[in-house]
Order: sequence, then structure tokens, then C-alpha cells
Amino acid sequence: EPEVTQTPSHQVTQMGQEVILRCVPISNHLYFYWYRQILGQKVEFLVSFYNNEISEKSEIFDDQFSVERPDGSNFTLKIRSTKLEDSAMYFCASKGERGNEQFFGPGTRLTVL
Amino acid sequence: AQSVSQHNHHVILSEAASLELGCNYSYGGTVNLFWYVQYPGQHLQLLLKYFSGDPLVKGIKGFEAEFIKSKFSFNLRKPSVQWSDTAEYFCAVNAYTGGFKTIFGAGTRLFVKA
Repeated sequence: EPEVTQTPSHQVTQMGQEVILRCVPISNHLYFYWYRQILGQKVEFLVSFYNNEISEKSEIFDDQFSVERPDGSNFTLKIRSTKLEDSAMYFCASKGERGNEQFFGPGTRLTVL
Repeated sequence: AQSVSQHNHHVILSEAASLELGCNYSYGGTVNLFWYVQYPGQHLQLLLKYFSGDPLVKGIKGFEAEFIKSKFSFNLRKPSVQWSDTAEYFCAVNAYTGGFKTIFGAGTRLFVKA
């Protein structure tokens, strides 16, 4: 069964450094998403992406965040200058053209020191 | 604004007890509803989903949920819990708000005593 994959599974970085989290959505999906879960809190929507542009973003998704689909398979989330409070689990999700179910990846745990 | 409320933040049960976790949503349009489970240290797994049709939905591991449109509710149930059901449970709803996204509830931590 096709699934969303994410790399790395765990990323440790120093405050102020840039990180890129990678996702490979399900191959025929056209809608892509990033969500965040701070430890002990609920899963929060960050951004949705369709047709090579952002379709919606939350208040959390400020100028330090960006997303990109650099090729036909990857979907990336870049955090330009990480802060301590960016430490969280980041989930990628994708959705097909039809249907309303998003398929979530296993997540990347980001730790900012 | 769309929102999802889960009534219980922490639930402690003994094995074989029955479980019901409450979930209410606030959204005016057609809803797609989900329950996800997150076992300690693991990622989100879909337990069950409701799109349309029979409002009583059966999922994996013996879980079921009932969609009651008049009450804006989608409660999760299991007749007899096991120690291995210890996890966090998230209710979620899909929403069209210019884009399409999933809105999660705050989660309910279930601890099942052996």
C-alpha cells in the first residue's frame, strides 16, 4: 500500500540554523500539507500546497518557514533560522485529486538546542 | 471558526472496561470526521473515518464511532479495552477554508491499567 515517507526521522540542530525537512508524498497525490505537534500538545495545521503554490497557511507559518516541491516527488519544509520553540514533531500529509482523506507520514522529530 | 472539542483530556480505565471518548465539532459544511491514535513514541494512525452513509462506523482494533449530526458529535467507543490501547486519541475534522485541511482536537490520553 502506498504511503507517505519522511526524512530524517529525527533532526537535532542548533538555534539559528536552517533545517530542511523532507517528505515524499504518495505518487499520484496533488495536495500536500505540513502539520506540527509540539510535545504534549495537539496537531496543528501549518500549510497546504497545491499546483506549486501555497493554498493556505496558518498563523504559525511565518516568514521563517517556506515550502517547496523541488522535483516531481519531494515536498520540503524549510525553517530558515530555528528557534527553541520550533522543537516539535512535523508531519507531512498528502491527498489525491478526489477523496477527502489525507494520508500522514510518520513524522520528523525536530529538536532545537 | 472550525474547531474540534474533546471532552476528556485524561482517562484511566481498567482492562475490560468500556470506553467512550467524546468529540464535538463546530463546522457548518459537509464534514468528514476521523479518529487517530498515537501510541507512545509513534506517529499518527487512522483508527476510523466517516464520510457519508451509515453513521455508525467501525474501525480497526475493535473501535467504533457514531456520527450524530444533530449533536455535532462523533464519539469513539470500544466495548472492552486492553492494556495495549494505552495511547493518545485525536478526533479530527476536514474543513474547506479556502484550502482543505484537517483540524485536530486537543487529544485524550487513555491509560489502561492491567
